Amino acid sequence: GAVVSQHPSWVICKSGTSVKIECRSLDFQATTMFWYRQFPKQSLMLMATSNEGSKATYEQGVEKDKFLINHASLTLSTLTVTSAHPEDSSFYICSAREEGWYQETQYFGPGTRLLVL
Amino acid sequence: DAKTTQPTSMDCAEGRAANLPCNHSTISGNEYVYWYRQIHSQGPQYIIHGLKNNETNEMASLIITEDRKSSTLILPHATLRDTAVYYCIVRAYNFNKFYFGSGTKLNVKP
Repeated sequence: GAVVSQHPSWVICKSGTSVKIECRSLDFQATTMFWYRQFPKQSLMLMATSNEGSKATYEQGVEKDKFLINHASLTLSTLTVTSAHPEDSSFYICSAREEGWYQETQYFGPGTRLLVL
Repeated sequence: DAKTTQPTSMDCAEGRAANLPCNHSTISGNEYVYWYRQIHSQGPQYIIHGLKNNETNEMASLIITEDRKSSTLILPHATLRDTAVYYCIVRAYNFNKFYFGSGTKLNVKP
């Protein structure tokens, strides 16, 4: 299957700082990527859809000014958590949509664990 | 997208087949059934998907009932490394988003 990477794999930051997470599709181009968040012992929650060349669309209840998304190219999307606070500590996972007449599906990155102190 | 219902957890003996059910009684005609699994502290891994025919790949088989209201993911010879949370997701083909339910925690025991 297609490969998606994330960087960094984990990050610790101080409250009030901003953190940028990268998501890359390594062997395919993705016009659409997605960002999820997962708290301990919970399922994945879709945060936003990242569209190459246009603005991201956010799920209800997700603050777009806090979670900035940029889809700079067909293989790279970034999520910036601005003014991070301890409640933003979570496991952030991206996925990239591989398009095709049948094999359209999403492939997920390994996740980034964020701890805000 | 249609809602899915899965058992919270299941046990399976190593080497035996693991059969994971999913109920999607409100599925509509253009919605596919996708299965992913998430091993602890990793991103979800794609397993298989289908529309109405049974599907098989190197990882698993997907059996969809004729009325498409339920499906079963079959891992033919479960190993300890198959211990994970398995998610069944229903999604229209031309819509991007996946909404994850709570999934089934499969425990493969020696």
